Amino acid sequence: ETGVTQTPRHLVMGMTNKKSLKCEQHLGHNAMYWYKQSAKKPLELMFVYNFKEQTENNSVPSRFSPECPNSSHLFLHLHTLQPEDSALYLCASSQGGVLNQPQHFGDGTRLSIL
Amino acid sequence: QQQVKQSPQSLIVQKGGISIINCAYENTAFDYFPWYQQFPGKGPALLIAIRPDVSEKKEGRFTISFNKSAKQFSLHIMDSQPGDSATYFCAAGGNQFYFGTGTSLTVIP
Repeated sequence: ETGVTQTPRHLVMGMTNKKSLKCEQHLGHNAMYWYKQSAKKPLELMFVYNFKEQTENNSVPSRFSPECPNSSHLFLHLHTLQPEDSALYLCASSQGGVLNQPQHFGDGTRLSIL
Repeated sequence: QQQVKQSPQSLIVQKGGISIINCAYENTAFDYFPWYQQFPGKGPALLIAIRPDVSEKKEGRFTISFNKSAKQFSLHIMDSQPGDSATYFCAAGGNQFYFGTGTSLTVIP
């Protein structure tokens, strides 16, 4: 496999469920990102990991919990979500962990909260 | 406050025409300006990017024009094709990273 792979592609969950999104990059990059894409709004940067260390957390609610066990894998653990959390969640990676380097995106997980 | 303002929201262009999308930013600390292309059901794909030390960058039919003093940059798609129909996002990076709201481009045959 090449590029950035996200699973699952679609997820429907109730507000009391706990689920996790997974991202894997095969580009040899050392930084990974989570973004939220909602209709009619700009993509919002949620978290940045550089060499497994979290370097950015843009005021994301605690019901979103990221985990980065190594430079190739990134998870987003979800619990007690709200209907407004329904969105496309995108993972990206880059060679450097600074925010002025090219980022390569996966195809996202479409999340729907019932 | 929107850090990167993008216009127009939607654009319809005849095949063979020029598509122009504009973006403006406020933060002079930004030093990286990419454009992304996104098709339905896919993630954004990096199209072309520019840094503020040059005023123009061209890759094939895609050109970025950059005006540092005006804090504006634009994407020009020459000889637009139906396959270019997608949503285009500008972005600005530096100490932070922000996307524009996107432009839905439709190229009609």
